[in-house]
Amino acid sequence: NAGVTQTPKFQVLKTGQSMTLQCAQDMNHNSMYWYRQDPGMGLRLIYYSASEGTTDKGEVPNGYNVSRLNKREFSLRLESAAPSQTSVYFCASSHIGTGNTDTQYFGPGTRLTVL
Amino acid sequence: RKEVEQDPGPFNVPEGATVAFNCTYSNSASQSFFWYRQDCRKEPKLLMSVYSSGNEDGRFTAQLNRASQYISLLIRDSKLSDSATYLCVVNKGSGNTPLVFGKGTRLSVIA
Repeated sequence: NAGVTQTPKFQVLKTGQSMTLQCAQDMNHNSMYWYRQDPGMGLRLIYYSASEGTTDKGEVPNGYNVSRLNKREFSLRLESAAPSQTSVYFCASSHIGTGNTDTQYFGPGTRLTVL
Repeated sequence: RKEVEQDPGPFNVPEGATVAFNCTYSNSASQSFFWYRQDCRKEPKLLMSVYSSGNEDGRFTAQLNRASQYISLLIRDSKLSDSATYLCVVNKGSGNTPLVFGKGTRLSVIA
């Protein structure tokens, strides 16, 4: 049971390049999330998918797109990377049900640098 | 008022000390409350959920005061391994709503 996995672990891009961050979970969770974490800013929600087939914007969606490929996988795409997108990106998942079972489980993160 | 506000610290305490972290939240409709722990350069991990009646897990005690919109975490008999950043986490409202993470409070336990 791997939990939440993310690839790649590290990435360096040049301004204007594109890339996709991959995330997969094997806990049969309904909901998945993408966050970025910057020094002094805490975790900020980029996009989330409450269930397979749906996606919604979070606090900082500009410059990103997402795809909920199936129940297991949720990818984050940077179409034209900018230095302001240098950050650590975390994927998370949760099983939303009755009784506030919305504990989120995080992947190990992707450290992205945009030059 | 920020959605979730925490004292950033750092809190530097000796081994064996008792330390308390506080957190305030702005949305009175929030229903779910958590403390997460994040080690340096690692992902956040759930430490404990916070229930209205308060709850305890070993050396850790969490309290919720809905009237004051205030959450606390008490760590007794601090260990070196407790050194980490502690994140206060609240959901945005009732039902299936995203979580909002505080910026975290850094704790260093010193031998």
